[in-house]
Amino acid sequence: AQSVSQHNHHVILSEAASLELGCNYSYGGTVNLFWYVQYPGQHLQLLLKYFSGDPLVKGIKGFEAEFIKSKFSFNLRKPSVQWSDTAEYFCAGRPSGTYKYIFGTGTRLKVLA
Amino acid sequence: DTGVSQDPRHKITKRGQNVTFRCDPISEHNRLYWYRQTLGQGPEFLTYFQNEAQLEKSRLLSDRFSAERPKGSFSTLEIQRTEQGDSAMYLCASSIIRNRDNSPLHFGNGTRLTVT
Repeated sequence: AQSVSQHNHHVILSEAASLELGCNYSYGGTVNLFWYVQYPGQHLQLLLKYFSGDPLVKGIKGFEAEFIKSKFSFNLRKPSVQWSDTAEYFCAGRPSGTYKYIFGTGTRLKVLA
Repeated sequence: DTGVSQDPRHKITKRGQNVTFRCDPISEHNRLYWYRQTLGQGPEFLTYFQNEAQLEKSRLLSDRFSAERPKGSFSTLEIQRTEQGDSAMYLCASSIIRNRDNSPLHFGNGTRLTVT
């Protein structure tokens, strides 16, 4: 079955630490991959997206993600997190041939000041 | 871009009652989605509209759920004979068809349903 999985459910970091959140997708064909962020009390917002081309994509707020086809992965990274990055992060994919976006279960990130 | 608007923000209802939620997408967006999210889970796909046509519906969606988008603008999601298991956040999202068709979803703030 087509799916998107996130391995880390809860992550706690200190400010200035580096962040990497894992995401794997399980479907073939064209990949459309996204990372969304949900700050407390707010709606889901797009951080970045990948469709094709350069596998290293840069998003807002200093986030980036790397698409590795051989690993079916699309991990999110940030070199130095801030307290304001405390949020829940969702990886999503849209397999070709469907308009359905499939979400992972999310990673709740807490950054300690 | 006024964003995706959902109404109401919160709804508390008794088991067995019917509820209806409304979603107003971003004005030029021709795609509209409904998702459901429960605690500790990611958004779960319910249904998708392109303009007024409902093109995809989750097999998990029971017959008690129905969605409409009569004029290709706003959409409603109705749940009949609500059950406690229907308690969740119901999210609406919209997007627009672009050249390479990789446009992201824009989400509303959701409607939180509590069935007592």
